[in-house]
Formats: sequence, C-alpha cells, structure tokens
Amino acid sequence: SAVISQKPSRDICQRGTSLTIQCQVDSQVTMMFWYRQQPGQSLTLIATANQGSEATYESGFVIDKFPISRPNLTFSTLTVSNMSPEDSSIYLCSVEDPRSDRGSGYTFGSGTRLTVV
Amino acid sequence: AQSVTQLDSQVPVFEEAPVELRCNYSSSVSVYLFWYVQYPNQGLQLLLKYLSGSTLVKGINGFEAEFNKSQTSFHLRKPSVHISDTAEYFCAVGHNDMRFGAGTRLTVKP
Repeated sequence: SAVISQKPSRDICQRGTSLTIQCQVDSQVTMMFWYRQQPGQSLTLIATANQGSEATYESGFVIDKFPISRPNLTFSTLTVSNMSPEDSSIYLCSVEDPRSDRGSGYTFGSGTRLTVV
Repeated sequence: AQSVTQLDSQVPVFEEAPVELRCNYSSSVSVYLFWYVQYPNQGLQLLLKYLSGSTLVKGINGFEAEFNKSQTSFHLRKPSVHISDTAEYFCAVGHNDMRFGAGTRLTVKP
C-alpha cells in the first residue's frame, strides 16, 4: 500500500492564525481525502482533492476556512484558516490505494494533532 | 449516499470474554466494508475488510467480521478478548470515499 508522510505531526497555534498541513505520498494517486477527528469523536470527511480540479467539500466545510491545494499526484495541503479553539482536532489525510479497486483500499497518514489556544 | 451506524458507543467486557461490536450500513450501491482500530493517542489501523466473496472475514489480532447483506450488517467479533484490545473501534464503508461510524469504545477489564 501507499506510504504517507504527513507534517507537522502536532502544533499549538494562536487563535486567528492559520496552519498548513502537508501530505506527501510515495506513489501517484488520483484521490486524496482530508478528515477531521475532533476530541473523542469519529473521523469526518472534510473534502476530496483531485489533481487538476478544485476540491469537493462536504456539508459543513467551506473553502475559505479549509483551502486545499493539490498541485500534483503525490502531494496535497490543507490549511486551517483563522483558527479558533473549536478547530482543535486531529487532521488526517488519506489516499486510495492505486492498486486496489475503487473504494476498496485506503491508507491514512499518521495525523496532525492541532491545539488552538 | 452510503453511511454506517455503530449501535453501541461503549462496550465494557471482562478479559477472556467474547465480544461483538455491531455495525449496520446503508447504501444503494455495492460497497466495501472495513473495521479500524485506534489505540489511545495512536493512528488508525486496519483490522479487516470485506470486498467480496466469503462473508466471514478474518482480520488481525484474532478479530473476525461477518457480512450479512439481508440484515445490512457487518458485526465485529472476537471469541476471547485481552486487556490490550482496549481501544476505539470504527466501522467504515467505502465507495467513492470512506465514511466512518461514530465509533465503539471497547474497554476490557481484568
């Protein structure tokens, strides 16, 4: 399966600032996904990022708050903008295994633990 | 759209007892089903997945799950749990993307 490098692993940020999270994959993948896991909660899909097109956001998430870049088939960034304490969560990127049938194999990054103070 | 429901938010059991964590899915198309485990302060680890074929799927750490199409269920079972199985367990469904259930916290007591 694909190997994902996600950075930073954790950060503590001041409210009102922005943080950009990077996700690097060791192989070319079509679909990349960004998830949020709030404290004690499950994973919620933020958006799907395809190379060459704008990200598709899920209900409750907007581009102004969570801008996403996907410049090539191995890299993506998620920015958490104008942060507030409610944004304190673990943010994870995920990719669909290119060697698996559609929807059958996913790999997750180790996550970015964000604390907003 | 596909979704999963985990029927129990918390399941406490004693060590060496059997356990079943329940998951029901909803989808209008064929999907793939997954169980993940998350140990405290760690990332997600795939336990097992159902893609097709045999409805009984065996995974790591002695876990297994049975796909039941008529009941739209994919319950996770283990015949004898250990203290080290204490963790959060997530059921998920995959199609165009992956959607997770709310999670079940399994606590194994001595």
